[in-house]
Amino acid sequence: AQKITQTQPGMFVQEKEAVTLDCTYDTSDQSYGLFWYKQPSSGEMIFLIYQGSYDEQNATEGRYSLNFQKARKSANLVISASQLGDSAMYFCAMNPALTGTASKLTFGTGTRLQVTL
Amino acid sequence: SAVISQKPSRDICQRGTSLTIQCQVDSQVTMMFWYRQQPGQSLTLIATANQGSEATYESGFVIDKFPISRPNLTFSTLTVSNMSPEDSSIYLCSVLLLDTQYFGPGTRLTVL
Repeated sequence: AQKITQTQPGMFVQEKEAVTLDCTYDTSDQSYGLFWYKQPSSGEMIFLIYQGSYDEQNATEGRYSLNFQKARKSANLVISASQLGDSAMYFCAMNPALTGTASKLTFGTGTRLQVTL
Repeated sequence: SAVISQKPSRDICQRGTSLTIQCQVDSQVTMMFWYRQQPGQSLTLIATANQGSEATYESGFVIDKFPISRPNLTFSTLTVSNMSPEDSSIYLCSVLLLDTQYFGPGTRLTVL
């Protein structure tokens, strides 16, 4: 079974500063994918970034980067130059396969990020 | 990615009634998923819907309560049957594209 742990229920960051949202995971699978999603108050789930377990480089998408430490089983999301629009819930998730087969996402409990002026 | 729409976006229903939620995607996809997000909680997978076959339900979810249709590769429906206040949640569909799940905007359901 897979498990995702997000230990920060809420975080504050000042506008233009960087923030790290923590995510640790537990799995016995050799191949897996790690994801981060953003959920604004509107309720939609927005895909942010993906990291494959065999990817040697940390994933980067614009202001988002994923600090992947495989030995520690952590996949922290780093948001640089925070903006007011980044205020939302952030969910870490994983699935057990890298290939395009049926895969179930396991989600963490989420971290609510509030960006302040 | 994909453009995914859901109808209705929100609804308020009386207990004992049923609501059908539609999910439409702008490209053909093999795998579609339905999730429930109860207030203040994370997402829980209800079922996986493949075109041309019966949906596969997760533990705790049954077809009689959450019947799903998948008539073609771009469309699916989820029905929430015989609703109770405990069914008040956001219901989200998602599609699998190149190892990543993309979500629809969600349907916010309140049951009185």
